[in-house]
Amino acid sequence: EPEVTQTPSHQVTQMGQEVILRCVPISNHLYFYWYRQILGQKVEFLVSFYNNEISEKSEIFDDQFSVERPDGSNFTLKIRSTKLEDSAMYFCASIFRQGGQPQHFGDGTRLSIL
Amino acid sequence: DQQVKQNSPSLSVQEGRISILNCDYTNSMFDYFLWYKKYPAEGPTFLISISSIKDKNEDGRFTVFLNKSAKHLSLHIVPSQPGDSAVYFCAASASNSARQLTFGSGTQLTVLP
Repeated sequence: EPEVTQTPSHQVTQMGQEVILRCVPISNHLYFYWYRQILGQKVEFLVSFYNNEISEKSEIFDDQFSVERPDGSNFTLKIRSTKLEDSAMYFCASIFRQGGQPQHFGDGTRLSIL
Repeated sequence: DQQVKQNSPSLSVQEGRISILNCDYTNSMFDYFLWYKKYPAEGPTFLISISSIKDKNEDGRFTVFLNKSAKHLSLHIVPSQPGDSAVYFCAASASNSARQLTFGSGTQLTVLP
């Protein structure tokens, strides 16, 4: 069964540094999402992406965050200047079309900011 | 802002018995509901979903019930198996959005052999 894959599985970064989290969505999927889960808290929506542009974003997704689909397969989340509170699991998800379809999630990247 | 609530952080059930996990929501715009299962160090895995036009959906051992008037849904697992032990998340989305999911806080299900 096709999977969403995320790399790296664990990223350790110094505060203030830039970090890029990578995702390869399922190949025929058209809608892409990033979520995060801070330890002990809920999974929270960050951003959705369709047709090479952001379709919706949460209040968490401020100017420090950006997303890109640099080629036909990768979907990236960049944090420009990381803060301690960015430490979390980041999950990528994708879906073929909206409506009546479950989002498929990757196994996540654990981001640790020192 | 708790639009989706799972009030039981944990549930223990004997193998072979029924597990019932509950979820409440407040946003009337939600029209699609999902249950995901999550093991440590893995992403959420889709289990079963239900559209707001239905009140029940069944898939093998898993049944989801939706009570729109009460803004309540539940997941029934019958019979429960030790491999079902995981964290279960309820999630909801609205058709007037980009279908992003709003998650509950999860219920840790432990099925005892």
